[in-house]
Order: sequence, then structure tokens, then C-alpha cells
Amino acid sequence: GAVVSQHPSWVICKSGTSVKIECRSLDFQATTMFWYRQFPKQSLMLMATSNEGSKATYEQGVEKDKFLINHASLTLSTLTVTSAHPEDSSFYICSARGLAGRSYEQYFGPGTRLTVT
Amino acid sequence: DAKTTQPPSMDCAEGRAANLPCNHSTISGNEYVYWYRQIHSQGPQYIIHGLKNNETNEMASLIITEDRKSSTLILPHATLRDTAVYYCIVRVDDEYSGGSNYKLTFGKGTLLTVNP
Repeated sequence: GAVVSQHPSWVICKSGTSVKIECRSLDFQATTMFWYRQFPKQSLMLMATSNEGSKATYEQGVEKDKFLINHASLTLSTLTVTSAHPEDSSFYICSARGLAGRSYEQYFGPGTRLTVT
Repeated sequence: DAKTTQPPSMDCAEGRAANLPCNHSTISGNEYVYWYRQIHSQGPQYIIHGLKNNETNEMASLIITEDRKSSTLILPHATLRDTAVYYCIVRVDDEYSGGSNYKLTFGKGTLLTVNP
């Protein structure tokens, strides 16, 4: 299957600082990228959807000014957690969707563990 | 949105077939059934998907009932590395997108534990 990478794989930051997470589709062009968040022992929750060159669409309850998403190219999306607080500590997973053969398929990155102290 | 119902957990002996059920009784005629799995602290991994017919690939088989209200994911020879949370998802397409615009909504999944 297609490869999606995330960087960093884990990060620790202090409360009040911002942290940026990168998501790259390595071997295909991602027309759409998604950001999910997963708290311990819970399922993945979709945060936002972004199409290349467009503003992201956020799910209900997700603060767009806190979670800044940039999808500047067909292979790169970034999520910036601004003014991070301990409650933002979570596992952030990106996903990229692109044309695979004759259908659009969605692949997931390995996730980024964020710990805010 | 079509919802899915899965048992919270299952056990399977190593080397035996693991059969994971999923109910999706409100599925619509053009909605696909997808299966992903998530090994601890990793991103979800695609397994298989289908619409009406049974499907098989190198990882698993997907059996969809004729009325499409339920399906079963079969891992033919489970190994310890198959221990993971398995998610059954109904893909909800944007009606006019031609399959290019859809959301995957994750439920709680089934924790499959493969025992030695």
C-alpha cells in the first residue's frame, strides 16, 4: 500500500508553546488529507479535512484557531497546535487520500505522540 | 450515516482462523464496507474493503451477507502479530464526487487478542 509519513513521531513541549506536525504522502499525490486525534483507549476522532490549496474543514467542536492546518502541496500537510495545554496531549494521526488504480483510497500515517507538560 | 456494531473484544488461538463480525444494518446500497486495524501506538492499517461480493487479498477475506447488513472479516491463520484493534467502517460518499470524497468514521472496534 501507499506510504504516509509523519514527523516527528513523538514530541514533548511546554504548556503555552506551539508545535508543528508534518504529514507527507511519499509515493502518491494526496488530493485530500485528514487529521485525527486519539486519546488513550479511545477510537480515532476526525479533527479536520483539507484539500490541497484550500482551507481546512473542521469537525464540530474542534477549534480552528488552535489547530492550524496547512495543505500547501499534494504531498504535504501540517498541523500546528498553538498555545498547547496538557489536555492537548494525545496521539495525532494524519491520513492521505489519493487515486490508487481506479479508486480513491485512504492511507494512514504512523502517528505523532504529543505530550504537553 | 451508517453505523457499525462490533464486539468489544475477541480471543483467538495462534494458527487458527479469526472471524470478526460486524453489523451494519442501516447501510445503503452504494456504501462500501472497509476494514482497518490498529496495532498498539501505530496508525491504522488498511486490510480490505468490499461492496457486495466477497473479497480476498493476501491479508484477509471479507464475507458480506446478501442483504449487506453484516459482514465478517476472516484472518485465515492468525499470528501473534495480528493482535490489534480491528475497525469495521462504512464508507459514506459524497453523492456527486464519483468516489473521490468520503469520510471514514471510526467506531470502537474489536480488540482481537491472538494467544499462543
